Amino acid sequence: DSGVTQTPKHLITATGQRVTLRCSPRSGDLSVYWYQQSLDQGLQFLIQYYNGEERAKGNILERFSAQQFPDLHSELNLSSLELGDSALYFCASSVDRGEADTQYFGPGTRLTVL
Amino acid sequence: AQSVTQLGSHVSVSEGALVLLRCNYSSSVPPYLFWYVQYPNQGLQLLLKYTSAATLVKGINGFEAEFKKSETSFHLTKPSAHMSDAAEYFCAVSEVGFGNEKLTFGTGTRLTIIP
Repeated sequence: DSGVTQTPKHLITATGQRVTLRCSPRSGDLSVYWYQQSLDQGLQFLIQYYNGEERAKGNILERFSAQQFPDLHSELNLSSLELGDSALYFCASSVDRGEADTQYFGPGTRLTVL
Repeated sequence: AQSVTQLGSHVSVSEGALVLLRCNYSSSVPPYLFWYVQYPNQGLQLLLKYTSAATLVKGINGFEAEFKKSETSFHLTKPSAHMSDAAEYFCAVSEVGFGNEKLTFGTGTRLTIIP
């Protein structure tokens, strides 16, 4: 158990819908990262938040957005869903002292878009 | 831009044999390098990481990796494979500096252990 929790574990929805994925980082970790794992794209970095502020952005679609709340949990919002958005979405957290701190991964949310 | 190439999407070894998973990186600045393991239906777990200290890095479960700058490689090895090592392994790179902490992953290598 990494200490990072993600809910829900599975999500099945239809095209055009909007969903919210939730992540609670390990106690004391200030950085939260979101990654997408799909068969065709592999593991891709989406976005990073540090202590409530966006720090880095990867290949995140405009239909996707994220935020980190004062209690440091984070949510990833996916809207106007397409079939190709079906993937495993991971959240990771780290202390982030600027020294390649280990990113601890949650178990993921498997999103299926029908 | 940083990138990682993992040679061999599938590797099979016999139980007790040497495990060698290959990783080559590209980075414009000194890199940090990582190996993660993913078991079926689970998240990623860190095996080991290189952060510019010792070039030979020892990790969990008997794995180790050697950073070779001249070869831009960070291959993962284990002297004797165990059935429980069957999983998917990912090499990843990040870079020094504020806002560069994101991990760029390779495409993964699925390791199968033959009894």
